[in-house]
Amino acid sequence: AQTVTQSQPEMSVQEAETVTLSCTYDTSENNYYLFWYKQPPSRQMILVIRQEAYKQQNATENRFSVNFQKAAKSFSLKISDSQLGDTAMYFCAFINGGGADGLTFGKGTHLIIQP
Amino acid sequence: DTGVSQDPRHKITKRGQNVTFRCDPISEHNRLYWYRQTLGQGPEFLTYFQNEAQLEKSRLLSDRFSAERPKGSFSTLEIQRTEQGDSAMYLCASSPRGFTRGDNEQFFGPGTRLTVL
Repeated sequence: AQTVTQSQPEMSVQEAETVTLSCTYDTSENNYYLFWYKQPPSRQMILVIRQEAYKQQNATENRFSVNFQKAAKSFSLKISDSQLGDTAMYFCAFINGGGADGLTFGKGTHLIIQP
Repeated sequence: DTGVSQDPRHKITKRGQNVTFRCDPISEHNRLYWYRQTLGQGPEFLTYFQNEAQLEKSRLLSDRFSAERPKGSFSTLEIQRTEQGDSAMYLCASSPRGFTRGDNEQFFGPGTRLTVL
């Protein structure tokens, strides 16, 4: 069974700062995908960024980038130039290559961007 | 396309009653997932449909829970004889075909918040 661990229950940074959210996972699978999802106070889950395990290059989406360390089973999210609208719960998630078992989520990190 | 929709958004019921939730996925998404999210936790996988076939069920899905996806379009999740421990947000997500080719993003609905009194 897969597990996803997010060790930071809450983080708070000033607007425009850079923040890094941590995530580690455990799996025996070789073919899998990792995601960061954002859940704003309205609670609809939105995909932030995705990483295929077979790709060595770290994924980047505008201000969001990941540091994927496959051997260490680490998948951190970096948010640059943070904005007030980034305030939300952030969930790290894992899914195996087949997809039938659904996403396995961490407990989340509550990120607060201060003005 | 307006995204994944769920109905109702909120449901308050008394212990022992049956409830049914509906999920309408994005059209032509053949994969559909149900999750449960309790306060302060990440969502937990409940069940998975590929088209109309229910291919996977979590151990969290007790005998009181049943899910269907007739004709491979909308899906329903029914909870019989509700208990206070069933109080949670129930999330539905859909995903397009071609999973192993990278079309694996799951699009989530707004959820149904269930409160069992």
